[in-house]
Amino acid sequence: LAKTTQPISMDSYEGQEVNITCSHNNIATNDYITWYQQFPSQGPRFIIQGYKTKVTNEVASLFIPADRKSSTLSLPRVSLSDTAVYYCLVDDVGFKTIFGAGTRLFVKA
Amino acid sequence: NAGVTQTPKFQVLKTGQSMTLQCAQDMNHEYMSWYRQDPGMGLRLIHYSVGAGITDQGEVPNGYNVSRSTTEDFPLRLLSAAPSQTSVYFCASSSTRDRGPGNTIYFGEGSWLTVV
Repeated sequence: LAKTTQPISMDSYEGQEVNITCSHNNIATNDYITWYQQFPSQGPRFIIQGYKTKVTNEVASLFIPADRKSSTLSLPRVSLSDTAVYYCLVDDVGFKTIFGAGTRLFVKA
Repeated sequence: NAGVTQTPKFQVLKTGQSMTLQCAQDMNHEYMSWYRQDPGMGLRLIHYSVGAGITDQGEVPNGYNVSRSTTEDFPLRLLSAAPSQTSVYFCASSSTRDRGPGNTIYFGEGSWLTVV
């Protein structure tokens, strides 16, 4: 199974840009990189997905270098409501999706 | 537009009791799974299913059974509850095997289980 490594926690202030980097050295050719967000007492929800280069949606941007061994989730101008756990997933064969511990982002006023 | 529905939302069990957490999805998804999340921790995969009649073990399957008699339902059974099974349980579903544009995992709202 492809494995990801991301920081355990990060702190930020409102209005700042936050970048969370995920390492996935063993990513397979067919794997996509997907990020999920989990608020307290809720299930995770999809925020962004990419294969290479850059992807942007209304919530975040995802930067993937050419070798695809890492990816960076960028959250522009975070607010208190962005306090959550962020999971980086790189899927391997089948549906045995392993989430890992994720990155706890704490946004301060 | 229900998505993934879990019941019950909250449950307190005594050690040794058994119970079933229900999960249903109305999106005709092939893939369903159960995760547990202990306080301050990430999600750990318990069991998963790739279709009706097919189940397999995840990271932490001991103490749990699953079955998949229909596409819609994927119940999780605790055989003999232990305090170590106190956790939040999330059911999830996904449409196809391969991740790709538009194919994501959908989660239920969680079931909070306390074993005393």
